[in-house]
Amino acid sequence: GNSVTQMEGPVTLSEEAFLTINCTYTATGYPSLFWYVQYPGEGLQLLLKATKADDKGSNKGFEATYRKETTSFHLEKGSVQVSDSAVYFCALISSASKIIFGSGTRLSIRP
Amino acid sequence: SAVISQKPSRDICQRGTSLTIQCQVDSQVTMMFWYRQQPGQSLTLIATANQGSEATYESGFVIDKFPISRPNLTFSTLTVSNMSPEDSSIYLCSVEDSGVSYNEQFFGPGTRLTVL
Repeated sequence: GNSVTQMEGPVTLSEEAFLTINCTYTATGYPSLFWYVQYPGEGLQLLLKATKADDKGSNKGFEATYRKETTSFHLEKGSVQVSDSAVYFCALISSASKIIFGSGTRLSIRP
Repeated sequence: SAVISQKPSRDICQRGTSLTIQCQVDSQVTMMFWYRQQPGQSLTLIATANQGSEATYESGFVIDKFPISRPNLTFSTLTVSNMSPEDSSIYLCSVEDSGVSYNEQFFGPGTRLTVL
C-alpha cells in the first residue's frame, strides 16, 4: 500500500542554518506530494506541493523537488529562522482522495 | 482556497460523556474528511463524509463511536461518543478542493479535546 516515511525528529538547528528534512514515499501510480506545516497550537497548513516528477514546490524559502527515480520529496531551506519552528508533515495523495501522512518532524530553531 | 472553521477550538470533558465538533466551510464542497491527531502523532483519517450519503469509516473507526452528520455542502459534525482518556486528541476536518486536478485538501484549525 501507499506510505510515507520521513526523517525522525526532533531536529534542532541554529538560526540561519541549512535545513533538510528527508521524505520518501511508496505509492502505486503517480501521486501528488505535499509538505504541510503545523505551528504550535495551530492546525495544518499547506506549505508546498508538487504534482508530477521533477516538479519543484516552493514557498516561504522552502523547496522540495519530486524525484520519481528515488521516490523522494526532501524539504530544504537555505537559512532557517526561529519562526520556522514547527512540526512538518510530508504527505501524498494518490487515488480516492485519501492523504497519507508521514509521522511528522518537529523542528526547533535556536536564536 | 477554502476557509474552514471548527467549534469548539478546545474542550475538557469527563469520561463517559459525548462531544460534538462542528466544521463549517465558506464554500460548497463535495468531500469532507475528519482526522484524529493523537498527542505527538501524525494524522489518521477517521472517515470521509459526503453530502447525502453515509460516511465511510476507515479501519479501526466505527459509526457508533464517531457518528458523523453532513446535512449540506458547507457543514459537517463529528461526535466523539462515550469518551475515555484515550480519545484525547486534536480532531481536524478537511475539505477537498475539487477545482484543482490534484485534489488538494485544506484543513480546519482543529479541536483540541482532553478527556479526564
